Amino acid sequence: DAGVIQSPRHEVTEMGQEVTLRCKPISGHDYLFWYRQTMMRGLELLIYFNNNVPIDDSGMPEDRFSAKMPNASFSTLKIQPSEPRDSAVYFCASTTSKTGIYEQYFGPGTRLTVT
Amino acid sequence: SQQGEEDPQALSIQEGENATMNCSYKTSINNLQWYRQNSGRGLVHLILIRSNEREKHSGRLRVTLDTSKKSSSLLITASRAADTASYFCATAGSGGYQKVTFGIGTKLQVIP
Repeated sequence: DAGVIQSPRHEVTEMGQEVTLRCKPISGHDYLFWYRQTMMRGLELLIYFNNNVPIDDSGMPEDRFSAKMPNASFSTLKIQPSEPRDSAVYFCASTTSKTGIYEQYFGPGTRLTVT
Repeated sequence: SQQGEEDPQALSIQEGENATMNCSYKTSINNLQWYRQNSGRGLVHLILIRSNEREKHSGRLRVTLDTSKKSSSLLITASRAADTASYFCATAGSGGYQKVTFGIGTKLQVIP
C-alpha cells in the first residue's frame, strides 16, 4: 500500500488567498483525521471523519476552515481566506476500526506558509 | 489543551545508552500509544498499551503504564543514531478508541 498521500507537500500563498489541501487515506480505512502542527501549539486535531461523515470538528479554529470527504478515498481541507497565523504543517491520518487498535497512519504532511 | 505531557522535552544521549521518556495525562484512558516523528516527516506508530496492561515490549522498546499515577514511560534500550526523533504519547479517552490526544513530545538526540 502507498500509505496516506497528501498534496501538495509545500504551499506558499499570500494572505487572503484560498488554500486547499488534499488527502488520500489508506484503502479500507474508515477513519480520517486532519491535524495541524506548530511549535507553539504542538499537534492539534482539527476534524475527523468516520465513513466519510464528519464526527468531531471541534478543533476547527474558525469558519475560515472547512473540510470535506466526498468519498472513501479523498478528503480536502480548505482555508479561505488564509492568514499568516495559519502557517503550519498540516497532517492527514487514517485508521481502521477492524483491528480494534486504531493506530493512526500519518501522511507526510503539507507545509503551509502564508505571507 | 493537550492531554499528555512528555518529560523531558529534550534529551541528548550517547549511542548505546538507554533513553527514557515519560508521559503524564489528566483523565481516564482506554489506551495509550507512543509515536515517533523524524524531522520533516509524519508520525509513525510505535506501540500501544491498554489501560489494563502494566508493561509491554516491542523489540528495543519497553512501555509501562501506571493508571493510578496517570503516567507512562517509554524506554529505548541500546539507542542508535537512527533513533534520533521526537517521541509523542497519545491517549484515547473514555469517549472511544479512535480519537486520540497527543502530548507535546520529547525530542531525542542520539549522538554517534
